[in-house]
Amino acid sequence: GENVEQHPSTLSVQEGDSAVIKCTYSDSASNYFPWYKQELGKRPQLIIDIRSNVGEKKDQRIAVTLNKTAKHFSLHITETQPEDSAVYFCAASKTGRRALTFGSGTRLQVQP
Amino acid sequence: EAGVVQSPRYKIIEKKQPVAFWCNPISGHNTLYWYLQNLGQGPELLIRYENEEAVDDSQLPKDRFSAERLKGVDSTLKIQPAELGDSAVYLCASSLNEKETQYFGPGTRLLVL
Repeated sequence: GENVEQHPSTLSVQEGDSAVIKCTYSDSASNYFPWYKQELGKRPQLIIDIRSNVGEKKDQRIAVTLNKTAKHFSLHITETQPEDSAVYFCAASKTGRRALTFGSGTRLQVQP
Repeated sequence: EAGVVQSPRYKIIEKKQPVAFWCNPISGHNTLYWYLQNLGQGPELLIRYENEEAVDDSQLPKDRFSAERLKGVDSTLKIQPAELGDSAVYLCASSLNEKETQYFGPGTRLLVL
């Protein structure tokens, strides 16, 4: 089955700096890659997603890039703010089995 | 529009007792998922429903876990009997269909003593 690895497990940045979280996946048939943000004790919330026919997608301060050949994708957050502090999960799925396989999460802390 | 609703939010039980969790998906969402989230880890799929049919339950420990989605709307996940290792957050998610974005509920935090 699919295996998703996520790095780093923790990331601390200064407010205004950029943050990058990287994930690799094992199943070359995976074609959908969402990113979820989870604040302490709350539900995971989708912040951005990308499909395999696209190499990059941007939404204001966040962007995701996908390299299908290398089977990795990354989340980029620019101009970080304290409210960006949370745990971020990457995930992957494929047509026919849309249940998501999640990475282990990255705890991002933005220092004011 | 209301999001995915789950109840109870918290549950404390003693081992070997039964427990049940309830999920109401977003109106019109045909696909429903139950995930298990252990502390410090990402969610892991337990079961996926397309309408009332369980189409992916390969990760559900069927000796003690059961689930149902009568009428293709609300769903119930049951554990009987509960074990200490079942302590975790049980998340329900739904999507319009199996190709669309999954929206998560707030989860039920289970503690087995």
